[in-house]
Amino acid sequence: GDSVTQMEGPVTLSEEAFLTINCTYTATGYPSLFWYVQYPGEGLQLLLKATKADDKGSNKGFEATYRKETTSFHLEKGSVQVSDSAVYFCALNTNAGKSTFGDGTTLTVKP
Amino acid sequence: SQTIHQWPATLVQPVGSPLSLECTVEGTSNPNLYWYRQAAGRGLQLLFYSVGIGQISSEVPQNLSASRPQDRQFILSSKKLLLSDSGFYLCAWSGWEQDTQYFGPGTRLTVL
Repeated sequence: GDSVTQMEGPVTLSEEAFLTINCTYTATGYPSLFWYVQYPGEGLQLLLKATKADDKGSNKGFEATYRKETTSFHLEKGSVQVSDSAVYFCALNTNAGKSTFGDGTTLTVKP
Repeated sequence: SQTIHQWPATLVQPVGSPLSLECTVEGTSNPNLYWYRQAAGRGLQLLFYSVGIGQISSEVPQNLSASRPQDRQFILSSKKLLLSDSGFYLCAWSGWEQDTQYFGPGTRLTVL
């Protein structure tokens, strides 16, 4: 079946550091790929998505590129802020309507 | 624009008591609806999903049940809560694209 593997956390960075959170997937067919973010005590919000190979999703300074050859969708940001502290979930969708989520990676950014 | 509501926001219940959590979506028709549970420090576990009124699929056998009495209403229930039912319950919907999910604010359930 489909699966998503994320880099284990927690990840702690200083403000303005470079962020990478790794995500790899296993799927039948051609999935859409997503990053969701969950701030403390809240539900998940869509951060960015990509629907086909080589697409780059971007939002709020975050980027991720759909790499079919390596089955990866790594999340990056050039300069993190304290306000980026949250839990980040990688996800895929191949069966329209149902998504598969990774276990989440907790990011803490210190001033 | 579409919005999703969940209530209550927090709930503390004794073991063996019943449960009813409600989720409603506004601004869209015939959404797919989902219930997830998130245990402390863990990922998301899909509990139920629904593609239409009265159509419920269960992903994990447990003492919870779900119902969809109206197009944009999704209810999570239990007759007798267990300690292991504690967690953060999230409702979500997806629209015609069906790939992106939109989450509610969640309900924090503590079973004592």
